Amino acid sequence: GAGVSQSPSNKVTEKGKDVELRCDPISGHTALYWYRQSLGQGLEFLIYFQGNSAPDKSGLPSDRFSAERTGGSVSTLTIQRTQQEDSAVYLCASSSQGRDLSSPLHFGNGTRLTVT
Amino acid sequence: AQTVTQSQPEMSVQEAETVTLSCTYDTSESDYYLFWYKQPPSRQMILVIRQEAYKQQNATENRFSVNFQKAAKSFSLKISDSQLGDAAMYFCAYRSVSYAGNMLTFGGGTRLMVKP
Repeated sequence: GAGVSQSPSNKVTEKGKDVELRCDPISGHTALYWYRQSLGQGLEFLIYFQGNSAPDKSGLPSDRFSAERTGGSVSTLTIQRTQQEDSAVYLCASSSQGRDLSSPLHFGNGTRLTVT
Repeated sequence: AQTVTQSQPEMSVQEAETVTLSCTYDTSESDYYLFWYKQPPSRQMILVIRQEAYKQQNATENRFSVNFQKAAKSFSLKISDSQLGDAAMYFCAYRSVSYAGNMLTFGGGTRLMVKP
């Protein structure tokens, strides 16, 4: 079946503009995660959705960042008034059976965001 | 909060030889999950191997095995008979069993180069 799909693959934007990044998780996966990966660095957790529960937003770096997940499927990460330090690869992941913590995360190919 | 440390930013191995990547973590929990992910240039994170903390037996997946030392909070990855396709970034990750910590916490990564 299809894996996690992210769009766009690459995005170049001007400082101060808003951007939206999209994630289509694997069908049936109840858990969805957003991570940020700066150049040559590890993955930084941003936000986590599990079913109908309130999302865990503890990793969002500022109030310019927000995310939603409509109908328990597609998710959109929005960055308002982008800054150069927002330049990074944004990775989305999903997993089945959110309470089964041995279940691995399945990642998309990410969106490379460049803020000029 | 848990932290994951990978002390080797880069490692190099000759094709067909064995290499070990180090990972240590800090936690006060007694039960948790540990993962190794591989990230090739395509950016997609691929699960290599997983370990449940309550299992004393080290996990193995074909040429990949771990040395899990719970008391030392160490989780190293051994790659045997290294192949050119093993060249990638490798990330160690920790997952708490508490709901608040369902996300994976990643180390900074180790870049593995495989020499022909």
